[in-house]
Amino acid sequence: GAGVSQSPSNKVTEKGKDVELRCDPISGHTALYWYRQSLGQGLEFLIYFQGNSAPDKSGLPSDRFSAERTGGSVSTLTIQRTQQEDSAVYLCASSLGDRTGHEQFFGPGTRLTVL
Amino acid sequence: AQSVSQHNHHVILSEAASLELGCNYSYGGTVNLFWYVQYPGQHLQLLLKYFSGDPLVKGIKGFEAVFIKSKFSFNLRKPSVQWSDTAEYFCAVNIPSGNTPLVFGKGTRLSVIA
Repeated sequence: GAGVSQSPSNKVTEKGKDVELRCDPISGHTALYWYRQSLGQGLEFLIYFQGNSAPDKSGLPSDRFSAERTGGSVSTLTIQRTQQEDSAVYLCASSLGDRTGHEQFFGPGTRLTVL
Repeated sequence: AQSVSQHNHHVILSEAASLELGCNYSYGGTVNLFWYVQYPGQHLQLLLKYFSGDPLVKGIKGFEAVFIKSKFSFNLRKPSVQWSDTAEYFCAVNIPSGNTPLVFGKGTRLSVIA
C-alpha cells in the first residue's frame, strides 16, 4: 500500500515569504507527527495530531509555525515570514494511533531552503 | 523530559567487521525504544523496537539491540556489516502513554568500506 507522502519534495523560498508543506498519511492512521531534521540538530519534534486535534504543539519553535489537519487525514505545516534558520528537511510520520508504541512511518520529507 | 545520546558521530568499518552503536537515554520511567535507519536518498525506516519482555531484540537485515535498563542503554549491534549497511542510524525513545512523539538522538553515520 501507499506510504506517507509529502509535497513538495523541495522548496526554495526567499526570506520573509510564507510556505505550506503538505503531508498525506497512510490511510487509516489516526496519529500524525511533524519533525524537523537539520544539520547539527538531528530530528526535532514539532507537533502531533490525534485525529484533527493537536494535543501536543510543544515543539513548534515560534508563533510563525502552525499546522492543521482536516478530515483526519491530510495535514499542512505553514511557516510564515520564513527565516534562514528555518532551512531544514521537514518530515511527517503517521501511526495507527490506537494504542501505545505503534511504529511511526515516515515520509520522504520536504527540503526547505530559505535564501 | 527525555533525551537521547548517541556517542559516535561517524563510524567507518570494513566489510565483515562487527558493529556496535551506542545509545543512552535519560528518563526515569518506562520507555519504548527504537532504532531507525536512513539509507542515502531514502526516508527513515524502522530497524527494530523494544516495548517490553526479552531485552535482546532482533530486527531486520541481521541487526539486533540489547536493552540494559540499569545503564539506560539500547545499543545496536550487527555481527558482520555489509557495504549496503552504509547509512545514518538514529536511536529514539518515547513514553508508552498515548501516542507520544519520538525523541531522537543526533544520529550516527556508518560508512562501510570494501
